[in-house]
Amino acid sequence: KAGVTQTPRYLIKTRGQQVTLSCSPISGHRSVSWYQQTPGQGLQFLFEYFSETQRNKGNFPGRFSGRQFSNSRSEMNVSTLELGDSALYLCASSLKGPSGANVLTFGAGSRLTVL
Amino acid sequence: GQSLEQPSEVTAVEGAIVQINCTYQTSGFYGLSWYQQHDGGAPTFLSYNALDGLEETGRFSSFLSRSDSYGYLLLQELQMKDSASYFCAVVTGKLIFGQGTTLQVKP
Repeated sequence: KAGVTQTPRYLIKTRGQQVTLSCSPISGHRSVSWYQQTPGQGLQFLFEYFSETQRNKGNFPGRFSGRQFSNSRSEMNVSTLELGDSALYLCASSLKGPSGANVLTFGAGSRLTVL
Repeated sequence: GQSLEQPSEVTAVEGAIVQINCTYQTSGFYGLSWYQQHDGGAPTFLSYNALDGLEETGRFSSFLSRSDSYGYLLLQELQMKDSASYFCAVVTGKLIFGQGTTLQVKP
């Protein structure tokens, strides 16, 4: 079966712009979570959606937002981009969400560069 | 808050055994997971410990001790393809990752 698909894979933006990233989970998976990966901070949790509802949120400013559609596809948006937002944004899907032994399957990520 | 600590780098030779430790501070969690990430790739699931003790999956084993707030990943019969970053993560309804350990396997 198809894996987790993230688009776009690479993008370059300038400070002040906004960006929308997309994630298509594995068919049948209802949970989508987002992570920011940077060399200095490692993998940091952004938020998790299940059945179109945000269930958990990490410690990121309100410029970071997301949503999930009825087909479980998810988008995340970053507004008023800052240089520090340059990172690899990873999406992961699972059947029930990151609890217990539920395995997360990650996409290849969207690499954002802010100039 | 919740935090996890791992060594930043580990080097070992092909065929050897290596242990990657993970200590954590968290107030309640389902268990400890381990993920592998090759350079430029996506993290992939390796193992999960809900209970104290050792879980074995082929060449990889993972251990958890809740009383010691400690876990480790044991890789046996190291192969060159095991060169990657390894992340421990506490599962709390979200995954809280450690900073990752870069393992370099040398011939």
